[in-house]
Amino acid sequence: AQSVAQPEDQVNVAEGNPLTVKCTYSVSGNPYLFWYVQYPNRGLQFLLKYITGDNLVKGSYGFEAEFNKSQTSFHLKKPSALVSDSALYFCAVRLASGYSTLTFGKGTMLLVSP
Amino acid sequence: EAGVTQFPSHSVIEKGQTVTLRCDPISGHDNLYWYRRVMGKEIKFLLHFVKESKQDESGMPNNRFLAERTGGTYSTLKVQPAELEDSGVYFCASSQDNRGAGGAFFGQGTRLTVV
Repeated sequence: AQSVAQPEDQVNVAEGNPLTVKCTYSVSGNPYLFWYVQYPNRGLQFLLKYITGDNLVKGSYGFEAEFNKSQTSFHLKKPSALVSDSALYFCAVRLASGYSTLTFGKGTMLLVSP
Repeated sequence: EAGVTQFPSHSVIEKGQTVTLRCDPISGHDNLYWYRRVMGKEIKFLLHFVKESKQDESGMPNNRFLAERTGGTYSTLKVQPAELEDSGVYFCASSQDNRGAGGAFFGQGTRLTVV
């Protein structure tokens, strides 16, 4: 069975500081990993994905994430947070081969203060 | 190009009533998925259509939930009769294939409140 853990319900960071939103996963095989963001009153928006290749992937709005196979992690990062980054962030995983649907974590609320 | 659209955006119904949610996927996307997020919990998979056929409905909670995708275009998710625990945000997503490489495109969700 697949699972995703986002250990923090909320992350608080000051504008201009670096941010990290943590994600670890469990899957019986090679993973495809995703980050989605939900802004208030909006739908889920795709941020970035890891499929294969370089462990550091870059996505929308200056976000990036690093795939770490040994630690089964896929933490989301941004060098300098903006107030407008405040939103709910979801990590998701699926198997790289065969039939598999997306399994999501419970989400982490990111609050960036001015 | 229009994205995934869902109707209504909000619905408040009484326990025991029926509600039908609609999802219009991106044109040309054969794969359509329904997910649900109960407050504060994970977004959980409900079911997956490939065209008009149900590929996987292992996430459907019980037989009060009925999903259809007649003609392989839009999909409906009916809850009958609704219970309090059905409250949550129902997301629809679509993709061209099920290999996950492109990631699915999600709609804005329907917030269902059962009172």
